[in-house]
Amino acid sequence: ETGVTQSPTHLIKTRGQQVTLRCSSQSGHNTVSWYQQALGQGPQFIFQYYREEENGRGNFPPRFSGLQFPNYSSELNVNALELDDSALYLCASSQGLAGESYEQYFGPGTRLTVT
Amino acid sequence: GDSVVQTEGQVLPSEGDSLIVNCSYETTQYPSLFWYVQYPGEGPQLHLKAMKANDKGRNKGFEAMYRKETTSFHLEKDSVQESDSAVYFCALSGAGSYQLTFGKGTKLSVIP
Repeated sequence: ETGVTQSPTHLIKTRGQQVTLRCSSQSGHNTVSWYQQALGQGPQFIFQYYREEENGRGNFPPRFSGLQFPNYSSELNVNALELDDSALYLCASSQGLAGESYEQYFGPGTRLTVT
Repeated sequence: GDSVVQTEGQVLPSEGDSLIVNCSYETTQYPSLFWYVQYPGEGPQLHLKAMKANDKGRNKGFEAMYRKETTSFHLEKDSVQESDSAVYFCALSGAGSYQLTFGKGTKLSVIP
């Protein structure tokens, strides 16, 4: 069974640029959630995708957007990067219907540095 | 909104000491409660869980009791080992919710 994978591992971008992060969900999982983890903090929920549609969103501006593909993999896009966007971005997959509590399995994350 | 509070940023027990890591939560719903563990360079891993009041989660000698009356989910272990060193996050998922709400984490550094 393949776990959650994310790419790239590390990324350095300049303020104002755009970035795309990728996630492959664990086999058999149909739901993907994205989290932002600032240094020394707990992960914060960005949004979740279920069956290729956004299923819920945390307190993040619209310049954070995403996609889910038919194979349940996902992308996180961030436009107009700001210095405060520097963080570890975590993808988590789960097997569950919308609106139910279920276990989430995290990938290793992408470390984004904005200069 | 939902919130999770972990009062200790870091704990430094010696090997063989007992451990309590505090976790309190606030939510208007009936949550599921979790402890995640994160090692350097990795994402959080589910450590243990409790789905309803009075459930006890257990894993690798760690326990946590879901106490609705005190809205707490403290992590406990009788005798810590150096290999337990990691960052531990308490988290909740509200009933019918799609998101996890995490505390700020407690770094456990066991002194050999």
